[in-house]
Amino acid sequence: EVQLVESGGGLVQPGGSLRLSCAASGFTFNSHWMHWVRQAPGKGLVWVSYINTDGTNTRYADSVKGRFTISRDNAKNTLYLQMNSLRAEDTAVYYCARGGAGAVDYWGLGTLVTVSS
Amino acid sequence: DIVMIQTPLSSPVTLGQPASISCRTSQSLAHSDGNTYLSWLQQRPGQPPRLLIYKISNRFSGVPDRFSGSGAGTDFTLKISRVEAEDVGVYYCTQATQFPYTFGQGTKLEIK
Repeated sequence: EVQLVESGGGLVQPGGSLRLSCAASGFTFNSHWMHWVRQAPGKGLVWVSYINTDGTNTRYADSVKGRFTISRDNAKNTLYLQMNSLRAEDTAVYYCARGGAGAVDYWGLGTLVTVSS
Repeated sequence: DIVMIQTPLSSPVTLGQPASISCRTSQSLAHSDGNTYLSWLQQRPGQPPRLLIYKISNRFSGVPDRFSGSGAGTDFTLKISRVEAEDVGVYYCTQATQFPYTFGQGTKLEIK
């Protein structure tokens, strides 16, 4: 069974940093692209970032470019999102999601990030 | 960026009746590899999204056959043949043809 378990969310002040982690299991992690997608409270889904299977290619939404960094450790079956210079508008549930079937096919339960003073 | 417009934004449906959601995109989702990477997600209240349909019309693992997808180019539709109580939630179309991936605004399906 595919499982994606996010951690690392919490309350942080504007300008602060957080590092999210996503532990993957139940599939061959190093064979799949991975993504982060976020959802502000009561709002829709917004794609944040992508990383390819070996970590050599990454892409970001314009809203986070230069502030967020996606990475992966295939030996540990773990995906990361380093978030710096956080803003109030980054407040959201952050989902780790797997790329597959030409779509984003499995999603974690999410971790809440709240940026507030 | 590809803009995705869903209609309606809210859909009250009677149990056992059909429902349909439209998704129109600002440009064709046809990829140079011959595929069209349009998918549909369901998000039940308090839950993460779940993939229902990928590449326009393919049902994902475990998805009931009352869900179907169709369309081409810039015009796509999700249909539920007979709505059940467990179908309540928000439905999103999304594209993976080009970065950045984008989503529709979501359509809230509720029971009358």
